[in-house]
Amino acid sequence: KAGVTQTPRYLIKTRGQQVTLSCSPISGHRSVSWYQQTPGQGLQFLFEYFSETQRNKGNFPGRFSGRQFSNSRSEMNVSTLELGDSALYLCASMTGPASTDTQYFGPGTRLTVL
Amino acid sequence: AQSVSQHNHHVILSEAASLELGCNYSYGGTVNLFWYVQYPGQHLQLLLKYFSGDPLVKGIKGFEAEFIKSKFSFNLRKPSVQWSDTAEYFCAVLTRSNFGNEKLTFGTGTRLTIIP
Repeated sequence: KAGVTQTPRYLIKTRGQQVTLSCSPISGHRSVSWYQQTPGQGLQFLFEYFSETQRNKGNFPGRFSGRQFSNSRSEMNVSTLELGDSALYLCASMTGPASTDTQYFGPGTRLTVL
Repeated sequence: AQSVSQHNHHVILSEAASLELGCNYSYGGTVNLFWYVQYPGQHLQLLLKYFSGDPLVKGIKGFEAEFIKSKFSFNLRKPSVQWSDTAEYFCAVLTRSNFGNEKLTFGTGTRLTIIP
């Protein structure tokens, strides 16, 4: 079974631009979560989607948004990029919304904002 | 707000040494606890998790962790480490608010280096 895939793997943008990251969960998984990983802050939860609905949300500004499609694929969008948005963005999938499920992480998208 | 503390930022051990990585959390309600590991160049993956029952949890690759509710701790242990255990280890806590919102909070990670 293929793992979680994220595209692109690397991205370079400039301040003020916007970016869209994509995540394809493991086949059959319907829950997708997004995290931001930085050396200083570690892993921080952005949001979780299940069945095309945002189920949980972290403490990030409204510039960070996401959505999930009917095939469970998810996209994350960051508008008006800031230097501090440079990070590794990780996506994780689970079979469903149950907390007892194991999250499977993708390789991440490395975003660099210049 | 909930938080997770991993006090050891970088731990260096020789092979066969015993390991204990600390994890403390702050949250007054029910929690679920996790340890994740990220080997060099690989994805983050689950080592073990605690939801209920026996507070001593055994995970993959000989790791175990003990949930001590009174100390708000979930320390990771391994009796004898191997060079292949070199990785970054993250403790995480899943909390649920009264409104049903769930949040998985990670610690900042502990880098473990094993010297052959």
